[in-house]
Amino acid sequence: QKEVEQNSGPLSVPEGAIASLNCTYSDRGSQSFFWYRQYSGKSPELIMFIYSNGDKEDGRFTAQLNKASQYVSLLIRDSQPSDSATYLCAVPTSGTYKYIFGTGTRLKVLA
Amino acid sequence: DAGVIQSPRHEVTEMGQEVTLRCKPISGHNSLFWYRQTMMRGLELLIYFNNNVPIDDSGMPEDRFSAKMPNASFSTLKIQPSEPRDSAVYFCASSPTGTINQPQHFGDGTRLSIL
Repeated sequence: QKEVEQNSGPLSVPEGAIASLNCTYSDRGSQSFFWYRQYSGKSPELIMFIYSNGDKEDGRFTAQLNKASQYVSLLIRDSQPSDSATYLCAVPTSGTYKYIFGTGTRLKVLA
Repeated sequence: DAGVIQSPRHEVTEMGQEVTLRCKPISGHNSLFWYRQTMMRGLELLIYFNNNVPIDDSGMPEDRFSAKMPNASFSTLKIQPSEPRDSAVYFCASSPTGTINQPQHFGDGTRLSIL
């Protein structure tokens, strides 16, 4: 059974700080990695994806991938209260369109 | 552009009744996914279709659940008979086909309550 693991949190950070969210996965053949944000009562919304080892930046968000260690992380710089949500890591099972989602990390940004 | 459209947004029904959830994927997307989300189990894939053909239904919990995709712009998820443990939020998502690296885009979900 392929797995994706995240710390459920809550992760509390003060406004303006960097929030660091981590995800580990078991399928060594996985090639792509997605981060979704889900506000309470809403649907998951894609915010970042990464395919290659290293860092990928998009505005205040940076995704980091280390395939050798099988982890992917999401950094949120200058965290805002509006970033408070659950962040889901999703990893397609190698060779399929089937995503495995982590259980999500709940982030709280304190004003 | 319209996103993934699901209906109804909320459904409350009594145990034993048939429930039908509907989904219209994003135009041009060839892959469609049905998920169920609960507090206890998180987001679980129930079934996915590629070019209207069911590819993997291993996540469908029981024979009470069935899904169809009669054409590229419509899919249904049916529960018959429904049970209280089916209460959850059901999401439909779609993605373009071509490579496995395409992101999935979610609809707003159907919040289902079985009394």
